[in-house]
Amino acid sequence: SAVISQKPSRDICQRGTSLTIQCQVDSQVTMMFWYRQQPGQSLTLIATANQGSEATYESGFVIDKFPISRPNLTFSTLTVSNMSPEDSSIYLCSVDSGGGYNEQFFGPGTRLTVL
Amino acid sequence: AQSVSQHNHHVILSEAASLELGCNYSYGGTVNLFWYVQYPGQHLQLLLKYFSGDPLVKGIKGFEAEFIKSKFSFNLRKPSVQWSDTAEYFCAVNNGGSYIPTFGRGTSLIVHP
Repeated sequence: SAVISQKPSRDICQRGTSLTIQCQVDSQVTMMFWYRQQPGQSLTLIATANQGSEATYESGFVIDKFPISRPNLTFSTLTVSNMSPEDSSIYLCSVDSGGGYNEQFFGPGTRLTVL
Repeated sequence: AQSVSQHNHHVILSEAASLELGCNYSYGGTVNLFWYVQYPGQHLQLLLKYFSGDPLVKGIKGFEAEFIKSKFSFNLRKPSVQWSDTAEYFCAVNNGGSYIPTFGRGTSLIVHP
């Protein structure tokens, strides 16, 4: 299993500003994932972050809005840029188990409120 | 694109009642199936998983799920719930070649003592 931490755990931000969320894993992993979890809705994958290459974004998410960094095999950041109230959500970092079973381990999440 | 449907969005039970949460998916090929649970104030964690073999899988805390291929279903069951089972439950599916699961929208379970 992997232990994942995220910072900050929650934040309240003003419209038009940006927030960078950090994700730290206690072991080296190839792939890291960023999800958004809106109230009463499913987890939606934002992007897959691979070390040494550009992140792969899912439909409806763009790099200008959600830039991602992956400087090494244990760390990634997600920035939510030019925020609006619609960005209020929980943002989750996860990693694949790496055992060929494709189960995922999740971080505790970052609860973002945009005013 | 595959999709996952969880039919029960909110379930309220009394302790000792039996539980069954429905999950159906749309993908027709080989799938990996998961149930994740999120207890209040905690992060998402794996409850149980199915990859192959016995379609009845057992997970932690007395939960089990049955894969019925003909019905594209992977329902979660527990014969007798406890107050501590109060949580959000998510079904997830990925096809055999993908790292990325598709999640259902979740079921909120409240168990009254």
